Amino acid sequence: DVVLTQTPVSLLISLGGQASISCRSSQSLVHSNGNTYLHWYLQKPGQSPQLLIYQVSNRFSGIPDRFSGSGSGTDFTLKISRVEPEDLGVYYCLQRTHNPWTFGGGTKLELK
Amino acid sequence: AVQLVESGGGLVQPKESLKISCAASGFTFSNAAMYWVRQAPGKGLEWVARIRTKPNNYATYYADSVKGRFTISRDDSKSMVYLQMDNLKTEDTAMYYCTAELGGDYWGQGVMVTVSS
Repeated sequence: DVVLTQTPVSLLISLGGQASISCRSSQSLVHSNGNTYLHWYLQKPGQSPQLLIYQVSNRFSGIPDRFSGSGSGTDFTLKISRVEPEDLGVYYCLQRTHNPWTFGGGTKLELK
Repeated sequence: AVQLVESGGGLVQPKESLKISCAASGFTFSNAAMYWVRQAPGKGLEWVARIRTKPNNYATYYADSVKGRFTISRDDSKSMVYLQMDNLKTEDTAMYYCTAELGGDYWGQGVMVTVSS
């Protein structure tokens, strides 16, 4: 199975600051159809996860442009600029290229 | 608006069975692949199972941890997706989320399953 390693495990950020989260895969996430199915989710405290970014760099409906995704192959990054209070929670990457799908271990974003 | 409502959770003993359900509304259910994700208390997310649409022969996929014990199914006429869980183990204790693939993903609020003697 594909293993996704997220770093850091936790992140202390000041309001208005920038956060960067890495997600590294144990194998390439490029599908045979040429697409890369690497997605990012945020789970706010007490809530269900919500989709932020799909296929590496596409923001989902209603997601502000403070969130951006990048990367290719096995290395991916989520960046959050101008961090706001509603951005706090746990961020997960998910690969949907290979069965079974697998999540990263999560990165907790907290206020400094 | 897209809505997913899970039900059927509860407390069961090890080796028992339980079937949880997810009622979908606000979209054309038959066009959406569906999947279940679980989260043990205080832990991260774990993808559990997925079922595709009729044109894709309702193909199903499972995490290794549940393969052979869990069965995902759907009823397009009722806009429902199910997860039949057999031979439950204490490590299956988790919040179970139903999710719809609609370009992006939509998640339900989850249903708690506790496996304990």
